[in-house]
Amino acid sequence: GESVGLHLPTLSVQEGDNSIINCAYSNSASDYFIWYKQESGKGPQFIIDIRSNMDKRQGQRVTVLLNKTVKHLSLQIAATQPGDSAVYFCAENAGGTSYGKLTFGQGTILTVHP
Amino acid sequence: NAGVTQTPKFQVLKTGQSMTLQCAQDMNHNSMYWYRQDPGMGLRLIYYSASEGTTDKGEVPNGYNVSRLNKREFSLRLESAAPSQTSVYFCASRDDILHTDTQYFGPGTRLTVL
Repeated sequence: GESVGLHLPTLSVQEGDNSIINCAYSNSASDYFIWYKQESGKGPQFIIDIRSNMDKRQGQRVTVLLNKTVKHLSLQIAATQPGDSAVYFCAENAGGTSYGKLTFGQGTILTVHP
Repeated sequence: NAGVTQTPKFQVLKTGQSMTLQCAQDMNHNSMYWYRQDPGMGLRLIYYSASEGTTDKGEVPNGYNVSRLNKREFSLRLESAAPSQTSVYFCASRDDILHTDTQYFGPGTRLTVL
């Protein structure tokens, strides 16, 4: 899994499988978390977010789970498709007077094989 | 609605040269950000602007200056480029209209300093 501040892990899956990308965060004061997808040569693209008063949030084919007890965040992608191949970043916002400043993890490379 | 736009897309500089990276957003957001992304790493915040007329340092501000020209535009200047500033630069704006804290990114400027 990924940690906000460590080396870049990789995940390879077959088309149609479910993917789970993990992220550990260190700031217990963080109250907002967000997942981005970055394709080669492009800017990060918003996928889904979650606030600290929630444990789970679902989007289209994606689910984010938040475990505040162990400071862990995960992104689940259902029925993974080749177009999902990208680098996935988690980011956290400590809230308060941080003016929306996000701290990013270093990313997980997802490769989907047809 | 173009979102966040950046110019130029690519730039090659010699050590000591100066340049300004341009960023504009058309979403009426108050907060804007400049990040750099180095190979195998997440995004690191250089500077941010919580509102028109204000700017603040992020995690890695040394060697950079910024100008919040108006609500739409936020520029990043390298006064004397160094090879260590070779990176991909992303501008973002934050959805503080709907208070979602989501940041939306531009396509990036790929800068090489020789």
